[in-house]
Amino acid sequence: ILNVEQSPQSLHVQEGDSTNFTCSFPSSNFYALHWYRWETAKSPEALFVMTLNGDEKKKGRISATLNTKEGYSYLYIKGSQPEDSATYLCAFMNRDDKIIFGKGTRLHILP
Amino acid sequence: NAGVTQTPKFQVLKTGQSMTLQCAQDMNHNSMYWYRQDPGMGLRLIYYSASEGTTDKGEVPNGYNVSRLNKREFSLRLESAAPSQTSVYFCASSVGRGQDGYTFGSGTRLTVV
Repeated sequence: ILNVEQSPQSLHVQEGDSTNFTCSFPSSNFYALHWYRWETAKSPEALFVMTLNGDEKKKGRISATLNTKEGYSYLYIKGSQPEDSATYLCAFMNRDDKIIFGKGTRLHILP
Repeated sequence: NAGVTQTPKFQVLKTGQSMTLQCAQDMNHNSMYWYRQDPGMGLRLIYYSASEGTTDKGEVPNGYNVSRLNKREFSLRLESAAPSQTSVYFCASSVGRGQDGYTFGSGTRLTVV
C-alpha cells in the first residue's frame, strides 16, 4: 500500500518566524515528488517538482529538499508572512505513474 | 490564460439525480484527471485520461463515469447521485503523465441531499 504522510497536520507560526514541515513517502520505485500550495477557496498551485535525490529547489522565501533514499522531503518557509497561510500538499509519483497525495499541512501565520 | 476551467462551481442534487461536471483546459495538455477532496483525506483519483480517446479508473471510480470528448475536455458524470458523493471535485491536467506537476481547476462543491 502506497502511503504519503505529511506532518504536522496543522501549524501556527508567528509572522516573521521561519518554519518547515515534512512529507514522507515510499523510498522504492520513486519517480517524482510534487509540492503544492493550496489557499482556502482556491485550487492547488504547483510549487516544486523534484526528481533527483538531493534536489533542492527554491522559490522566493520557500525552498524544498528531497531525500529519495530515506523517503522524505522538507518544505521550508523563511520569514513567514500572512500570505503564506495555506495548506501545503505533497504528492508522490512512482515509476508506474501512480500519484498519491498527502493530506496536507495547514499553515496559519499569526500576525 | 484560462488554464483549467470547471463548471459549475456549486451544485446541490437530490439523491438519485444525475449531473455532469464539465472540465476544459487550454494548455494543450495530454492528460486530464478528476479528483475528489473529502475532509481528513488527501485528494483521491476518480478517473484519468492519459490521452484523447482513453480513460482509466483511479482509486475511487464507483458511481462515476467519464468522457474525454476531445483533447481539451474531460467530463465527469454522476448517473444516480448518492449522499456519499458529497465532496469537492477537482479537475486537473498535465503535459505528460503528471511528472511535471498538475494544473488544477477551481473545484466544484457538490452536495447530495
